[in-house]
Amino acid sequence: NAGVTQTPKFQVLKTGQSMTLQCAQDMNHEYMSWYRQDPGMGLRLIHYSVGAGITDQGEVPNGYNVSRSTTEDFPLRLLSAAPSQTSVYFCASSERGPGGSPLHFGNGTRLTVT
Amino acid sequence: QKEVEQDPGPLSVPEGAIVSLNCTYSNSAFQYFMWYRQYSRKGPELLMYTYSSGNKEDGRFTAQVDKSSKYISLFIRDSQPSDSATYLCAMIINTNAGKSTFGDGTTLTVKP
Repeated sequence: NAGVTQTPKFQVLKTGQSMTLQCAQDMNHEYMSWYRQDPGMGLRLIHYSVGAGITDQGEVPNGYNVSRSTTEDFPLRLLSAAPSQTSVYFCASSERGPGGSPLHFGNGTRLTVT
Repeated sequence: QKEVEQDPGPLSVPEGAIVSLNCTYSNSAFQYFMWYRQYSRKGPELLMYTYSSGNKEDGRFTAQVDKSSKYISLFIRDSQPSDSATYLCAMIINTNAGKSTFGDGTTLTVKP
């Protein structure tokens, strides 16, 4: 079982560059989400989706875009990278949403912006 | 002030000890409470899921919720070196909500 797959595992960007973090799940989950994890700040929700074609903002959405064209994929786009976006990014999915079913996390993308 | 505060740690205990991990919260609307375990360089994985006040036991793990005090705990009995990880509490208002609120995590080391 692949579960939630995130690519790349590591990335270094220069300020102002753009990139897309990929997330794919093979469990046919309707709900998918992106978190960032920073020391002393825990997991913070960036964006989430309750199904294909539906997305919504989380706690810290500025500087990030998402789209959900298929059930399986939920990419996260950084439009113009800033040093403040240096973090570990986790994608998570669940069958019905975090209240009704457990979140399944990928193993993260470690992003450094210089 | 954060909605969820978690004992910061780090916590270091000898093998076989009983471990207590704790979170407090300010939003009385939270109804569902979860504990996730995160090993180094891995994503979190769900350990326990509880609803309403009381205790829930699963093997060596017991989750306790006290809604009147807005306080939740995770107890680990007979701790093992394999329990060394970061433990995150999480809370949600209802099953239809799209957002969980996480604590910052407590890092536990169990020494053989």
